[in-house]
Amino acid sequence: DVKVTQSSRYLVKRTGEKVFLECVQDMDHENMFWYRQDPGLGLRLIYFSYDVKMKEKGDIPEGYSVSREKKERFSLILESASTNQTSMYLCASTMTGGYYEQYFGPGTRLTVT
Amino acid sequence: EDKVVQSPLSLVVHEGDTVTLNCSYEVTNFRSLLWYKQEKKAPTFLFMLTSSGIEKKSGRLSSILDKKELFSILNITATQTGDSAIYLCAVRNAGGTSYGKLTFGQGTILTVHP
Repeated sequence: DVKVTQSSRYLVKRTGEKVFLECVQDMDHENMFWYRQDPGLGLRLIYFSYDVKMKEKGDIPEGYSVSREKKERFSLILESASTNQTSMYLCASTMTGGYYEQYFGPGTRLTVT
Repeated sequence: EDKVVQSPLSLVVHEGDTVTLNCSYEVTNFRSLLWYKQEKKAPTFLFMLTSSGIEKKSGRLSSILDKKELFSILNITATQTGDSAIYLCAVRNAGGTSYGKLTFGQGTILTVHP
């Protein structure tokens, strides 16, 4: 069974802290994605990666960075968390090619106080 | 810039009702349109549509795509409380990459009362 897991379901951090969100997939997918989901705005793409050590900015990369050292693992880093980064963060993965669905992890609800 | 707009943003119905969710899009080079259902967890895949006029069906859910008018609808018949969820529409642009990058709409929040 296909699986994408995220390191935490709920996380509370203070303003200015460095935050790591981890995502692991067991499907040998080349492509991985980080989204944030906010009410009324849908899912917005932060960063994605199409291969190990490769990354591309999505639509809202400001304030975030990513790391992909192994094919199965994609990390999202908030260098200095701010309250406007309070959100639901979703990770997804997919095979290369235009006709495959994305598989999503359960999400991490991050609160920055 | 690719754009996806869903309507309505929220909908409240009673069990047994039929609902139609709408998704319109603007994309420079269309590849596919996807529907997902999200309860209090990971979005789960419902349908992928690539051709106009061909209905995809799964139980009480069905969806169709109109590539001329640039929209898709998701129909749910005989709704049940378990259909309560956020329904997400997304489009994939074919141009340039095969990374599978999707652009999502805002989502429609469906609430089904007993």
